[in-house]
Amino acid sequence: DVKVTQSSRYLVKRTGEKVFLECVQDMDHENMFWYRQDPGLGLRLIYFSYDVKMKEKGDIPEGYSVSREKKERFSLILESASTNQTSMYLCASRLGVDQPQHFGDGTRLSIL
Amino acid sequence: DQQVKQNSPSLSVQEGRISILNCDYTNSMFDYFLWYKKYPAEGPTFLISISSIKDKNEDGRFTVFLNKSAKHLSLHIVPSQPGDSAVYFCAARGGPGGNQFYFGTGTSLTVIP
Repeated sequence: DVKVTQSSRYLVKRTGEKVFLECVQDMDHENMFWYRQDPGLGLRLIYFSYDVKMKEKGDIPEGYSVSREKKERFSLILESASTNQTSMYLCASRLGVDQPQHFGDGTRLSIL
Repeated sequence: DQQVKQNSPSLSVQEGRISILNCDYTNSMFDYFLWYKKYPAEGPTFLISISSIKDKNEDGRFTVFLNKSAKHLSLHIVPSQPGDSAVYFCAARGGPGGNQFYFGTGTSLTVIP
């Protein structure tokens, strides 16, 4: 069974801080994704990575960056956290283009 | 602008009856559609998918129907069970390389025993 693990379930940070959200998958998946989920907006894609050190912007990349130094790990970075980045963040991975995504349990991030 | 819409935020159904969850999309270039189920405090889990070249896919109690001319997708659950109570998201794949997914806002299904 695929396991996608997000390092924190809940996180509270202050405005202006640099925030790291970590995601690890154990199934050697090529593709990894970061989404945020907000009420009334569904899941929106921030960034995805189709291979190590490769990344592409999603729909809402502003204020975020990502890092994928190893195949199993995909990090989301909030360069200077702002209150409008308070949200639920979900990481996902998939084996290939015709395979479904497998999601982690999410990190609820609050920026004060 | 939402390219995938789930217009019913919630749905209640009696145990044993059929649950029908609906989803509409706007982009005719979407080529692959999925349904996910989400319990509280957990991430979404994949339920069933359908390619745009098909109009129906069935997996046990779950059937997904695709009407491309209407740009409409539906998920049927028969018979509904209390354990099916969850939030259901539909998603559509688009973009170059099949890496962009667009999600609906979810429908909360309650199956009443």
